[in-house]
Amino acid sequence: GAVVSQHPSWVICKSGTSVKIECRSLDFQATTMFWYRQFPKQSLMLMATSNEGSKATYEQGVEKDKFLINHASLTLSTLTVTSAHPEDSSFYICSASPPLLAGMNLRTDTQYFGPGTRLTVL
Amino acid sequence: GNSVTQMEGPVTLSEEAFLTINCTYTATGYPSLFWYVQYPGEGLQLLLKATKADDKGSNKGFEATYRKETTSFHLEKGSVQVSDSAVYFCALSGRNGGSQGNLIFGKGTKLSVKP
Repeated sequence: GAVVSQHPSWVICKSGTSVKIECRSLDFQATTMFWYRQFPKQSLMLMATSNEGSKATYEQGVEKDKFLINHASLTLSTLTVTSAHPEDSSFYICSASPPLLAGMNLRTDTQYFGPGTRLTVL
Repeated sequence: GNSVTQMEGPVTLSEEAFLTINCTYTATGYPSLFWYVQYPGEGLQLLLKATKADDKGSNKGFEATYRKETTSFHLEKGSVQVSDSAVYFCALSGRNGGSQGNLIFGKGTKLSVKP
């Protein structure tokens, strides 16, 4: 099956610092990855769509200069929270979709999710 | 815009009890509907899906039917097990459609099954 990993699984940082979260597709290539944010007892909210080799597409209300996304390869997307503040504390989840012609017995009609990263900003 | 509403938990059941988790949606067009499950310490996994009206998705004893007339996609299982304890998310395909586009999620329902 398809596996998506995230690193780190949790991080605590001081206000004003930057934090980078990695999302990797371990056994398939992903031209598109998605970044979600989840507050306690809330839905997952899409933040941005990460496209390999091009700029990310941000959802309305998400600050692109604060949440930097880089999708430098077909297996890695990174989310950097810049100048983090306590209100940025949340659970960040990524997902990846295989290309339509995966040919790896993957369900190309679904997204595969990482386990999430818990960010706490003090 | 599109949205998903699912029943709030937590839901606590005894083993072998019948499970229903309600999910209703608001959408334009013809979205696909999904149930995802998140076991403790793991990422979300697709449980089942339906792509058009009257489709029934099923997996691991769980079922859900895409009801366009009631805009619902309720999750059911006839006999739950302790291993079914998890958080369940109802979702629909976003504006781009399908899973190549984004998903819109409900808030999640935590299920705890006691032996």
